[in-house]
This record gives sequence, C-alpha cells and structure tokens, in this order.
Amino acid sequence: EVQVVESGGGLVKPGGSLRLSCAASGFIFSSQSMIWVRQVPGKGLDWVSSISSSANNKHYADSVKGRFTISRDNSRNSLYLQMNSLRAEDTAVYYCARILTSSHAFDIWGQGTMVTVSS
Amino acid sequence: QSVLTQPPSVSAAPGQKVTISCSGSSSNIGNNYVSWYQQLPGTAPKLLIYENNRRPSEIPDRFSGSKSGTSATLGITGLQTGDEADYYCVSWDNSLSAGVFGGGTKLTVL
Repeated sequence: EVQVVESGGGLVKPGGSLRLSCAASGFIFSSQSMIWVRQVPGKGLDWVSSISSSANNKHYADSVKGRFTISRDNSRNSLYLQMNSLRAEDTAVYYCARILTSSHAFDIWGQGTMVTVSS
Repeated sequence: QSVLTQPPSVSAAPGQKVTISCSGSSSNIGNNYVSWYQQLPGTAPKLLIYENNRRPSEIPDRFSGSKSGTSATLGITGLQTGDEADYYCVSWDNSLSAGVFGGGTKLTVL
C-alpha cells in the first residue's frame, strides 16, 4: 500500500524545538519530491516546505524560513521537518505529502501530526 | 490573507452543478499548474485535479478543472451530500519561490 505516516508531534513551549518525521512506504521514495503542509484546526491549508528527490532543492514559506529545516533520508524512506524557535502561531496539524513528478500536485497524504506550541 | 482567492462558501442542491473559483496572478496561476483538493471533515486532503484539468484515475468525472489566464475553476456536477467538504486550490508562486494555497471554499449541498 502506498502511504506516508507522520510522527513526532506534541506539546512544546514557545522558543522550543521539535522534529517531525514522515515514513513512506509502497513507492520509490528516492524518486519523489515531498512536501510539508500545515493546518490550524478549523482553518485553511498552509504550504510550509518542499524538498526535491535528491534534496538538492529545498523551498520554504516566508513564515518558517530560517526556523524550519526540511530534510530526507532516502536510505530510510523518511522525510523530516526540524522546527526551531517555535511560536504559538506554528500550532497546527502538520501533514506530509508526496509531490507528483513535475506537477506540484500532492497525491499521497498522511493523517497528520499535531504540534501545539504553548507555555 | 491568502495569495490565491477563493469564495468562502458555495451551495447548491443535490444533483445540481457548482463551480468554485480560484483567482491569482501571473506569478502563480498565470504561469504554473493548479491543483485542487477536497477535505472532508476530520480527514486529510485528497487530490481531485492536477495540472489544471487532469483527474487521478479514482476521481469520478463529475469533478473537472479549468484554467484561464490567472484564474482557475473547479466544477462539480451531479452534486451529492457526500460532496460536502472544504475545497482548496494550490499553485506554485515564482515570486515567492514557494507554493500557495487558496483560503478554501466550504461546499454545502442543500
């Protein structure tokens, strides 16, 4: 089965750090670009960061640039999001998703992991 | 405020047709593909349309997409109560070097 599964969410204090993981299976992970998207409960989707298949190209939303780092380990079929200097406004459900080749469309989504930034 | 503009809500009766617009600029929709997503309550988004008007094989042909200039449109025909959901457009933005989502549209099937 083609799927991605996020983990690593939780409660963290403002200014703290958290690392999210996304485990992929059922497809050739090393051939696919990946993305992180977040959603504040009850609000819309927010594009966070993307990474190319070889990790040569990484892009970030202005709201997280300099604080978040996207990475991947193709040998482990895993995607990561290192989140530093967390703020209350980073509180959201974080989804990882697979990017359709050359399309910037996201065809496989995980169930999401909740990140809460609060003192 | 979102870079891509969608109406907050649309509604129509079962069996009818509805369209959802997504307005952008030459930095995004005007020069890049648009994709559309359906998000049912409490679930992850689901890809409906990619590359402006292509459907994944599992998506019924009641769903269609189009693009003209700096705007895109999602069409849904033969509305069903199960279509009640939030719908989002997304495109790449060349100026931001990042993707941008629309604010989302809540579809109510009356």
